Amino acid sequence: QKEVEQDPGPLSVPEGAIVSLNCTYSNSAFQYFMWYRQYSRKGPELLMYTYSSGNKEDGRFTAQVDKSSKYISLFIRDSQPSDSATYLCAMSAGSSNTGKLIFGQGTTLQVKP
Amino acid sequence: DADVTQTPRNRITKTGKRIMLECSQTKGHDRMYWYRQDPGLGLRLIYYSFDVKDINKGEISDGYSVSRQAQAKFSLSLESAIPNQTALYFCATSGDSIKQYFGPGTRLTVT
Repeated sequence: QKEVEQDPGPLSVPEGAIVSLNCTYSNSAFQYFMWYRQYSRKGPELLMYTYSSGNKEDGRFTAQVDKSSKYISLFIRDSQPSDSATYLCAMSAGSSNTGKLIFGQGTTLQVKP
Repeated sequence: DADVTQTPRNRITKTGKRIMLECSQTKGHDRMYWYRQDPGLGLRLIYYSFDVKDINKGEISDGYSVSRQAQAKFSLSLESAIPNQTALYFCATSGDSIKQYFGPGTRLTVT
């Protein structure tokens, strides 16, 4: 079993929809939770990161972490065609683990106009 | 100019050839990483380096080697390329080991 599981999709939604992207994990030592966005033929770029449990909001994006369930989510409100990309979750046990990130497989999202 | 650059961007090579992928960064970060990305498998860590004298194996280091020539430069070599090393390769840097900044990637095809 992979340490981090992510549904690869693809996920197709109409413009304006609320999108929910999710990852589950098995390592209870993970403390840092990140979402990266990767456009076609580009490198991943950090979208959001959270420490431990809770929510974090940045504009149309909300990241949620539920450590008790080992489950993280990224919500996109009022989705736009420019949000079409692959979204990768990533996790780390922190600097004591030398900063190694464990990535999910990535979910490909298409937002149709 | 981009903060993290990779050369070449695309490369086709034959089985058994030695190939080097190069990464340079202007972010001033000490930590540098090499990943490969395959469809359905996400990003997997090959090697990472915390400074010029510190090199560490990642999840999938077999068949690869690295060189940290300077704080800003980190190269990945395939000593004898094989077809299952066909993938997208990304270099990344980090200042705090949590947030990583990726280069644009190298698409490598081994025939």
